[in-house]
Amino acid sequence: DAMVIQNPRYQVTQFGKPVTLSCSQTLNHNVMYWYQQKSSQAPKLLFHYYDKDFNNEADTPDNFQSRRPNTSFCFLDIRSPGLGDAAMYLCATSGGKAPGDYQETQYFGPGTRLLVL
Amino acid sequence: AQKVTQAQTEISVVEKEDVTLDCVYETRDTTYYLFWYKQPPSGELVFLIRRNSFDEQNEISGRYSWNFQKSTSSFNFTITASQVVDSAVYFCALSEAYSSASKIIFGSGTRLSIRP
Repeated sequence: DAMVIQNPRYQVTQFGKPVTLSCSQTLNHNVMYWYQQKSSQAPKLLFHYYDKDFNNEADTPDNFQSRRPNTSFCFLDIRSPGLGDAAMYLCATSGGKAPGDYQETQYFGPGTRLLVL
Repeated sequence: AQKVTQAQTEISVVEKEDVTLDCVYETRDTTYYLFWYKQPPSGELVFLIRRNSFDEQNEISGRYSWNFQKSTSSFNFTITASQVVDSAVYFCALSEAYSSASKIIFGSGTRLSIRP
């Protein structure tokens, strides 16, 4: 089945130690998104890629970076995680091109829960 | 500015009861999309439905139904004969149309608990 995959599902890191979260998709969608979701809150968009074009949200901290080496993969790098960065990180895709696809609908992966010690 | 309001923070009902989750939105766009997503305890956001602003027909899918009313800027979600597996956080969301990437504005979510 076509899907959005996130690895790992749980990630533990130390305060200040760089960490990378990964996302892959088999949907062949041209847009990929990264969201941060803290407990009992709605997801908050960090940035998105439209193909290779990177679009950062204005309030996304510099500590968060992203890479998209190809259509299928997208990475979230947290350069120096702080305790406040502990959250669920959700990857999503949109932009289906097949007949019947909802181009504007975002499809989410299962998320990576990040714990910062 | 676009905004989505889900006034119900938490709802708890007994299994088999019907329950309606409210969603009110604000937008200046004439063309937009509305969504409902379900987030079970596992964390994944599951897409349930998309509705565009030109289609006010209500939709039914099994036990789920959606009532879209532009006159009141509402897009309410009803679960009939609720089941324990329906327990989750439900997000209503809005996105503008015709952008290169769909930027979604989420409501704050409604936590639904179905008691056996």
